[in-house]
Amino acid sequence: SQQGEEDPQALSIQEGENATMNCSYKTSINNLQWYRQNSGRGLVHLILIRSNEREKHSGRLRVTLDTSKKSSSLLITASRAADTASYFCATDRSGGSNYKLTFGKGTLLTVNP
Amino acid sequence: GAVVSQHPSWVICKSGTSVKIECRSLDFQATTMFWYRQFPKQSLMLMATSNEGSKATYEQGVEKDKFLINHASLTLSTLTVTSAHPEDSSFYICSATPVGGGVYEQFFGPGTRLTVL
Repeated sequence: SQQGEEDPQALSIQEGENATMNCSYKTSINNLQWYRQNSGRGLVHLILIRSNEREKHSGRLRVTLDTSKKSSSLLITASRAADTASYFCATDRSGGSNYKLTFGKGTLLTVNP
Repeated sequence: GAVVSQHPSWVICKSGTSVKIECRSLDFQATTMFWYRQFPKQSLMLMATSNEGSKATYEQGVEKDKFLINHASLTLSTLTVTSAHPEDSSFYICSATPVGGGVYEQFFGPGTRLTVL
């Protein structure tokens, strides 16, 4: 079953605006990752945040993690039309089989030029 | 580095036929490869985990006899959809974990679009 739940399911913004996507999960995790998927393509890894980290930056991306609330957010600043894609969070669980990633349902981001 | 390829990128077949999808790690050796299935506008669902030289571990609800997985070498895993039916139409994505890498180091292939008529 899917552990992660992203919201919103779809987000439409104008170029230059910031986009914030959220992800919630249910069980304890080792790491949480964000991926991007362009339509009909494979996944591109964006950023990984460990369970003992609270915030991480990579270029225009900012990820936060709140393990007490079991939630994470992905902020894309100064969005571009090329950022249009689906964004997924994925968790790997602590204490259980650590081979598996569990993906959330995803947020479809549309950046209008 | 860390490139994973899939072949074919898309395939159309008739109901009842079998289709083989290859997943290759091009510039690294993969301890573990994963196969996912994705329906339109939905998330990725893990189907199975395969380790080189051993039997694949299937997720609950995934038919082993229908989705045959072979991980013959450290750079190649294959997924065969046997006796495909229209409901098997989906986007199949593989990922690979480098030897010595943790689960978080999964590199994804570009996916294979399967359409069963």
